[in-house]
Amino acid sequence: NAGVMQNPRHLVRRRGQEARLRCSPMKGHSHVYWYRQLPEEGLKFMVYLQKENIIDESGMPKERFSAEFPKEGPSILRIQQVVRGDSAAYFCASSQSGGYMNTEAFFGQGTRLTVV
Amino acid sequence: KNQVEQSPQSLIILEGKNCTLQCNYTVSPFSNLRWYKQDTGRGPVSLTIMTFSENTKSNGRYTATLDADTKQSSLHITASQLSDSASYICVVPLRAGNMLTFGGGTRLMVKP
Repeated sequence: NAGVMQNPRHLVRRRGQEARLRCSPMKGHSHVYWYRQLPEEGLKFMVYLQKENIIDESGMPKERFSAEFPKEGPSILRIQQVVRGDSAAYFCASSQSGGYMNTEAFFGQGTRLTVV
Repeated sequence: KNQVEQSPQSLIILEGKNCTLQCNYTVSPFSNLRWYKQDTGRGPVSLTIMTFSENTKSNGRYTATLDADTKQSSLHITASQLSDSASYICVVPLRAGNMLTFGGGTRLMVKP
């Protein structure tokens, strides 16, 4: 049973380009969470999704950022018109059931986005 | 305001020594508290999950304690090894469990 898979591990984009980050949850997990970690800082919640639904996007910037978790395929975090301030590590986590009530959440290795 | 505060921010110890990391939280309502280990350049890995009713929980050389009255937790590492060098993050779920609130972490360096 593979863990949470994120790709790419490293992504370099020029300012104004689009960045697409992918996350395949663990087998049997239908709940996905995205977090952002700026250099030397802690992880900050962005969005929580279930299959085909956004449950909580309170941590998502209002513009340029979107996320989806289709019925088939990985969850996608999309950043349009990237700026240098978007440079960070983006982590995905998945869990078997909703919420975090004693439910283990497993993290991927992250995608490190660098905007040049 | 729901917050998780950790101390110290960084710590250097010699291999074989013990250490204790602290976590204070103000998240309410409280459901559980987690400790994660994050190696440089990698994703967090869970060490323990402690519920309201648990005071102490061990995972190998890691022992976590929880005092729900004072809203404090500690992570004790026994007989440290070089591989223990990492960030240790205290995490508390927020808003009925949909969002994890992360502490800033303690950066531990174990030296030979």
